[in-house]
Parts: sequence; structure tokens; C-alpha cells
Amino acid sequence: EDQVTQSPEALRLQEGESSSLNCSYTVSGLRGLFWYRQDPGKGPEFLFTLYSAGEEKEKERLKATLTKKESFLHITAPKPEDSATYLCAVQAATDKLIFGTGTRLQVFP
Amino acid sequence: NAGVTQTPKFRVLKTGQSMTLLCAQDMNHEYMYWYRQDPGMGLRLIHYSVGEGTTAKGEVPDGYNVSRLKKQNFLLGLESAAPSQTSVYFCASRTLAGGKNTGELFFGEGSRLTVL
Repeated sequence: EDQVTQSPEALRLQEGESSSLNCSYTVSGLRGLFWYRQDPGKGPEFLFTLYSAGEEKEKERLKATLTKKESFLHITAPKPEDSATYLCAVQAATDKLIFGTGTRLQVFP
Repeated sequence: NAGVTQTPKFRVLKTGQSMTLLCAQDMNHEYMYWYRQDPGMGLRLIHYSVGEGTTAKGEVPDGYNVSRLKKQNFLLGLESAAPSQTSVYFCASRTLAGGKNTGELFFGEGSRLTVL
């Protein structure tokens, strides 16, 4: 069965304290892995798409990487404005998009 | 530059009442989706549409109906609301990007529905 698991569920960081969020997946025929950011009371906002193992994408303090079984979202020197829930989703060969439950990140000054 | 707009943003219903959520997008996107988001669960697909006049069932379609009479609009209906349908509903859309799906969904801000 296609499945996406994100860890940890919640993460508290001090401003400037770098860390990583994990998204592990099992899917039949991965077509793509996607990261979204969701602020409280808002809809998810697209961050990255990764298509194949070894691929990396960067945007400001965020860097997403992909292996055959998991993806990491690395946050370098986070700021309080990086506080949000980060969602991972995978697209199977059937075109079905499966979302994880997210990691809630809080960055304190 | 509205993107995806959902109405209403909040609604309280009594069990058995009916209602319709409206999603409108101004990006000329082919695909439109309705998701629900519940605490501790990922976004779950209710129904989707790959073009005007077409709809299909997603992961959790029971108790919901949809229509896509115009390309820019996607309506989600609850015929007889139940407390289990208390949730936050998100509409999303995306373009048909060549032969490769970018997965870039554009989401609305959500509609919070409470069924008493």
C-alpha cells in the first residue's frame, strides 16, 4: 500500500539552530515527491518538486533532497518566520497524490 | 491576482442540512480538487475533476457530490450533513504542464465546516 510518513510530528528550534525534517515513503512507481508549507488557517503553499533519487532543490534557508526511500527538508539557520507545518506528498504511477500528516515546526527567537 | 478562492470560509450546519462549497480559480487550470484536512491525518482527496464537465471520486467520496459546469468553478455539495463531515475543506487546482506532472497544486485558504 502506498504510504507517506513524516517525522518528527513536531519540532522546536532556537533561531539559528539547523535541523532536518524527514519524509519516508513507499509507493508504486514514484513520479514525484513534493514539499509544501502550511501556515495556520491557510492553505498549503508549494515549495519543491523532486523527481529522482539524488536530486536536490534549494530556496533560501530550505534544501530538499531525495533518496529511493525518503526525502529530507534541511533548514539552515532558521528564523521565526520559518515556523509552519511542512507537508510532504508523493505521486504514484497511478497519478494519485498521497500526503503525509506533516511536521509542525516552531522556531523561537 | 486572486488564484483559488473558496466560499464560504466558515459555516455551521445542523445534522441533516445541506450546503454547497464553491471554489473558483482564475488561472485557467484544467485540474481541480477537493480535499479535507482533519487533525492527525493527511489531506485526503474527496473528488476531483480533470476538465469542464468531468468529475471523479477520490479517496473519501461518500456523502459528497461535485459538479464542474464551468472550467473555473468546482462545487462541493453535502446533501445531508453528518458530524463526521466536520473538517476543513481545501480546494486546489493545477495546470496540465506538458507531459510531466509538476505536482504544483495551488490551494485556496480553506472552508471550515462544523456539523452539530
